[in-house]
Amino acid sequence: QVQLQESGPGPVKPSETLSVTCTVSGGSVSSGGYYWTWFRQPAGKGLEWIGYIYDNVRSNYNPSLRSRVSISLDTSNNHFSLTLRSVTAADTAVYYCARVTSGSHGMPSGISDYWGQGTLVTVSS
Amino acid sequence: EIVMTQSPATLSVSPGERATLSCRASQSVSINLAWYQHRPGQAPRLVMYDASTRATAIPDRFSGSGSGTEFTLTISSLQSEDLAVYYCQQYDSWPPGTFGQGTKVEIK
Repeated sequence: QVQLQESGPGPVKPSETLSVTCTVSGGSVSSGGYYWTWFRQPAGKGLEWIGYIYDNVRSNYNPSLRSRVSISLDTSNNHFSLTLRSVTAADTAVYYCARVTSGSHGMPSGISDYWGQGTLVTVSS
Repeated sequence: EIVMTQSPATLSVSPGERATLSCRASQSVSINLAWYQHRPGQAPRLVMYDASTRATAIPDRFSGSGSGTEFTLTISSLQSEDLAVYYCQQYDSWPPGTFGQGTKVEIK
């Protein structure tokens, strides 16, 4: 059974950098065919796609966050991480990691078959 | 951006009764529609994909239907463990894909 678990910093000050890690168990981030993905959900709002990494080479980010975000893969520790720079109160949200499957021609299907429980990150001075 | 609209926002159903959740897309997404169950304090769980295909280990009291812009998730006989918020998500245009705002299923 694949499980994902986020670990986050809790409170972060404005203008600082937010880092959240997703540890994967019951499967390997090195196994091909999966897009390791981050979403977030501010309180009372919908889920927002942040970005994904594939094979430690290919990544794709939400254009609204692209200038501030990066996602990395650590195969030795079987986890992947989200870094978001220059945060503001608008970045306060529950951050979720998920595994997105491959679809036709090896492209991401968009279907998240496993998720983490989420971690609340609050940006506040 | 494709907007997904779910209704109702909250659904109260007695145990053993049928629950019907609706999801509407602002433009056609074909059958590229998934449903997720989010129980309190747990990780979201994939329930349905391709509009009507049950995910692994999902009981057969869950069924999905629809195509284009109108979709339905039906729980034929509600159980207490079905208490959750259910989200629909289109992946016809992914990334980013878009989610509905959710339907909270309560036990009456």
